[in-house]
Amino acid sequence: QVQLQQSGPGLVKPSQTLSLTCDISGDSVSSTVVTWTWIRQSPSRGLEWLGRAYYRTKWNIDYAVSLKSRMTIIPDTSKNQFSLHLNSVTPEDTAVYYCARLWGSSWFDPWGPGTLVTVSS
Amino acid sequence: DIQMTQSPSSLSASVGDRVTITCRASQSISTYLNWYQQKPGKAPKLLIYSASSLQSGVPSRFSGSGSGTDFTLTITSLQPEDFASYYCQESLIIPYGFGQGTKLEIK
Repeated sequence: QVQLQQSGPGLVKPSQTLSLTCDISGDSVSSTVVTWTWIRQSPSRGLEWLGRAYYRTKWNIDYAVSLKSRMTIIPDTSKNQFSLHLNSVTPEDTAVYYCARLWGSSWFDPWGPGTLVTVSS
Repeated sequence: DIQMTQSPSSLSASVGDRVTITCRASQSISTYLNWYQQKPGKAPKLLIYSASSLQSGVPSRFSGSGSGTDFTLTITSLQPEDFASYYCQESLIIPYGFGQGTKLEIK
């Protein structure tokens, strides 16, 4: 059974970098049949796909256009995890952040438990 | 981006009722449509994938249908544990848009 466990701070100051990690058990971050994604949820924007990392013959990383300039996703094969780094955060980035596996290039399952990240001084 | 529009945004129903939630895509997505259930403080949970396939372990009172731009999620004989929020999600192209959600409340 695949499980995702998230870690990272729940409070980040404006202009700083939000960093979260998703640890994978029961699957491999290097799997060639799934994609590893970050999604966030806020009352103002609902559920919002942020980006993905996937390995085929090489690593591929894609980001939401609106966040591309501020966001980095890094897979770590040695720890079987992937991380999200979002720099220059503002209160607008306050949300619950989820990691999730995209199965068959189509549906998200499972999801991590979510991390509420508040951007505030 | 593909826009996903759900209706209604909220719905009141009673245990035992049949309810239908609709989702419309701004362009054709074939059957690249998934449904999720979310309870307060929890992550979304996959219910239906590829428009009509029931995820393993999900009760058969949940069903999905549709293709192209119009989709429905139907719950027959509502149970107390079904009162939650429901979201559709397109998986044809990134950024994999989600609907705004339907909150199903007890009448």
